[in-house]
Amino acid sequence: DAMVIQNPRYQVTQFGKPVTLSCSQTLNHNVMYWYQQKSSQAPKLLFHYYDKDFNNEADTPDNFQSRRPNTSFCFLDIRSPGLGDAAMYLCATSEQGEVYYEQYFGPGTRLTVT
Amino acid sequence: GQQVMQIPQYQHVQEGEDFTTYCNSSTTLSNIQWYKQRPGGHPVFLIQLVKSGEVKKQKRLTFQFGEAKKNSSLHITATQTTDVGTYFCAARSYNTDKLIFGTGTRLQVFP
Repeated sequence: DAMVIQNPRYQVTQFGKPVTLSCSQTLNHNVMYWYQQKSSQAPKLLFHYYDKDFNNEADTPDNFQSRRPNTSFCFLDIRSPGLGDAAMYLCATSEQGEVYYEQYFGPGTRLTVT
Repeated sequence: GQQVMQIPQYQHVQEGEDFTTYCNSSTTLSNIQWYKQRPGGHPVFLIQLVKSGEVKKQKRLTFQFGEAKKNSSLHITATQTTDVGTYFCAARSYNTDKLIFGTGTRLQVFP
């Protein structure tokens, strides 16, 4: 089945130690998103790629970076994780042209910062 | 900036009772989507509404888009324990073209 895959599902990192989360898709969608979701809150968009064009949200900290080497893969790099960065990180994809379509979410990576 | 509020924040119902969550935007919307997130799960798309006053049904779920395209509602008839989860609206405005998730309504259903 076509899907959105995130690895790892659980990640523990130390305060200040860089960490990379990965997302891959078999849907061949042109847009990939990264969201941060904290407990009992709505998903918060960090950035997204429309094809190779990177779109950063104004309030996304510089500590968060992203790479999309090809259509299928997208990475979230947290350069110096703080305790406040502990959260669920959700990757999503969608097809976007003149019409907006639904977003398909991966299962998420739960990040713990010690 | 654009704000998308949902009420209520929490709702506990007895199985078989109806449930409604309301979504309100501070700006006029081009479209609105609804997602369901089960406990420990990820958001799953339910439906998209585009037209003013649009009403769509999926079995026991009824979705409505307001005439002014600033609000929406999701109504579940005769809830079941499988309906448990958090329901998010996600709104896209003409101004920013971004999809903004609402604050969510967490539904608990008691058997």
